[in-house]
Amino acid sequence: NAGVMQNPRHLVRRRGQEARLRCSPMKGHSHVYWYRQLPEEGLKFMVYLQKENIIDESGMPKERFSAEFPKEGPSILRIQQVVRGDSAAYFCASSPLSGTSTDTQYFGPGTRLTVL
Amino acid sequence: SQQGEEDPQALSIQEGENATMNCSYKTSINNLQWYRQNSGRGLVHLILIRSNEREKHSGRLRVTLDTSKKSSSLLITASRAADTASYFCATDAEDSNYQLIWGAGTKLIIKP
Repeated sequence: NAGVMQNPRHLVRRRGQEARLRCSPMKGHSHVYWYRQLPEEGLKFMVYLQKENIIDESGMPKERFSAEFPKEGPSILRIQQVVRGDSAAYFCASSPLSGTSTDTQYFGPGTRLTVL
Repeated sequence: SQQGEEDPQALSIQEGENATMNCSYKTSINNLQWYRQNSGRGLVHLILIRSNEREKHSGRLRVTLDTSKKSSSLLITASRAADTASYFCATDAEDSNYQLIWGAGTKLIIKP
């Protein structure tokens, strides 16, 4: 059973370009969480999605950031018009159950975004 | 806002010694989790302790929780070089039943 997969692992973009980060949850998992991690810091919650539904996007900046989890295919975190401050590691996690804080979240390896 | 704060920020010990990391938090919680992150990798869930539990064991890991002090500790006994990683505590958010609030982590280095 493959774990959570994220691609690309490393992404370099110039200021103003778009970044698309993909996450395939573990098989059988229908809950996806996106986090951002700055160097030497913990993770910051961004968004929680179920298939075709955004449940909570309270941690996501209102502008330039969007996320989706379509019926088919991976979850996508999209950052438009990237700025240097968007440089970070973006982690995706998935869980199989109802989406409570007692559910173990299984993490992907992350995508390291560098904005030049 | 950051809920959990780990200390120390960094810890370097000899292989075979025990490593203790602490986590403090601010609001009431239902549970607290510890995760490990190897350099450049994702996070691996280690252990979850509920607010009505005081101590939990898993292999060489021992976690304690003191809700009166709003603190938790993670003890790794008989450390190995492979334990070198960053360790994070995460608590449930006060106003959400699925959000996790993370500390900044303790960077543990095990010297061979």
